[in-house]
Amino acid sequence: GESVGLHLPTLSVQEGDNSIINCAYSNSASDYFIWYKQESGKGPQFIIDIRSNMDKRQGQRVTVLLNKTVKHLSLQIAATQPGDSAVYFCAEWDRAGTALIFGKGTTLSVSS
Amino acid sequence: GAGVSQSPSNKVTEKGKDVELRCDPISGHTALYWYRQSLGQGLEFLIYFQGNSAPDKSGLPSDRFSAERTGGSVSTLTIQRTQQEDSAVYLCASSLQAGGETQYFGPGTRLLVL
Repeated sequence: GESVGLHLPTLSVQEGDNSIINCAYSNSASDYFIWYKQESGKGPQFIIDIRSNMDKRQGQRVTVLLNKTVKHLSLQIAATQPGDSAVYFCAEWDRAGTALIFGKGTTLSVSS
Repeated sequence: GAGVSQSPSNKVTEKGKDVELRCDPISGHTALYWYRQSLGQGLEFLIYFQGNSAPDKSGLPSDRFSAERTGGSVSTLTIQRTQQEDSAVYLCASSLQAGGETQYFGPGTRLLVL
């Protein structure tokens, strides 16, 4: 069935380090992936997306890498800041292309 | 408004009562989605609307759950005869149209059923 999972439930880094959050997906036909950031008490916030015709996309301090061969997605955050502390979810479209399927999330903790 | 808004932000109810949750999507967004997030979990898709119609209601957990959308804008999610397992954060999202468009989320309604 369709599922999106993350390799690690928690990740702790020091301020200024680079963070890498990983995600494995199961639907090989998926063509669109999104990373969301969710701070405590708030709804998920869009960070960056990538389509399957790309293997890398960069935003401001964030990079998403897509490896379709092994069905793996990663989010890289450069120079991590305390404000980056949150739960990060990867998501893919379901087979109908309407609903997003979310993984369980990785909690990123950034210490000063 | 600038973003998706939801009300109430918090709701405490007694088991067996009905609750109604409201979502105001981003202006101009024709698609609207409801998700549920249990404590420490990812988001579980419930239902989506394209305009006022909901093509697929199979994601609703039980027949106690229903949703409607009128005027292509505001949507309400109703839970009848609430149970303790309904306690969760109910999140609403909207997008320009259904399918392949980025979904933008509201802050959620935190429902606690005692």
